[in-house]
Amino acid sequence: DVKVTQSSRYLVKRTGEKVFLECVQDMDHENMFWYRQDPGLGLRLIYFSYDVKMKEKGDIPEGYSVSREKKERFSLILESASTNQTSMYLCASSPGQGTFYGYTFGSGTRLTVV
Amino acid sequence: RKEVEQDPGPFNVPEGATVAFNCTYSNSASQSFFWYRQDCRKEPKLLMSVYSSGNEDGRFTAQLNRASQYISLLIRDSKLSDSATYLCAVIASNTGKLIFGQGTTLQVKP
Repeated sequence: DVKVTQSSRYLVKRTGEKVFLECVQDMDHENMFWYRQDPGLGLRLIYFSYDVKMKEKGDIPEGYSVSREKKERFSLILESASTNQTSMYLCASSPGQGTFYGYTFGSGTRLTVV
Repeated sequence: RKEVEQDPGPFNVPEGATVAFNCTYSNSASQSFFWYRQDCRKEPKLLMSVYSSGNEDGRFTAQLNRASQYISLLIRDSKLSDSATYLCAVIASNTGKLIFGQGTTLQVKP
């Protein structure tokens, strides 16, 4: 089974802090994704990457950046955390062949910005 | 208009009931379709892909209607353990991104 591991299950950070959310997958998947999930808004795509050192903006990239230096690792960075970034953050990965495969998700990081 | 829409529910059904969820999508270039299940405070897990001819997995049946741009999920003989949120998700060939509906909450009661 594919494993997608997110480094923290719960995080509490202060407004203005720089926050790193780490995600690692162990099945050599090309594609990796960061979503946030909020009540009433569902899952929204923040950033994604189809290859090492490659990144694409999703639907809500403002206030975030990403890094993919190695194939298995995709980091989400909140440059200056704000309270409206309090959310559940979900990382996912999928194989690179076409668009016919569903994504596998990590267990999520619940981030609270105070 | 949202790209993928679902009735959020909740759907409250007794054990043993048959329940169906629909999900509509707006991008006609959509080519891959999925149903995910999400338990409270957990990550979404892939329940099943949806194929053009429809497909079944035990008590679960998924169907695709390209003309009307919707997918459906039918659950027969509902169990208490089926209580969860069911998310539909769509990948469009022109974007390559997996877009989710808001999810439909199912509560199966004894």
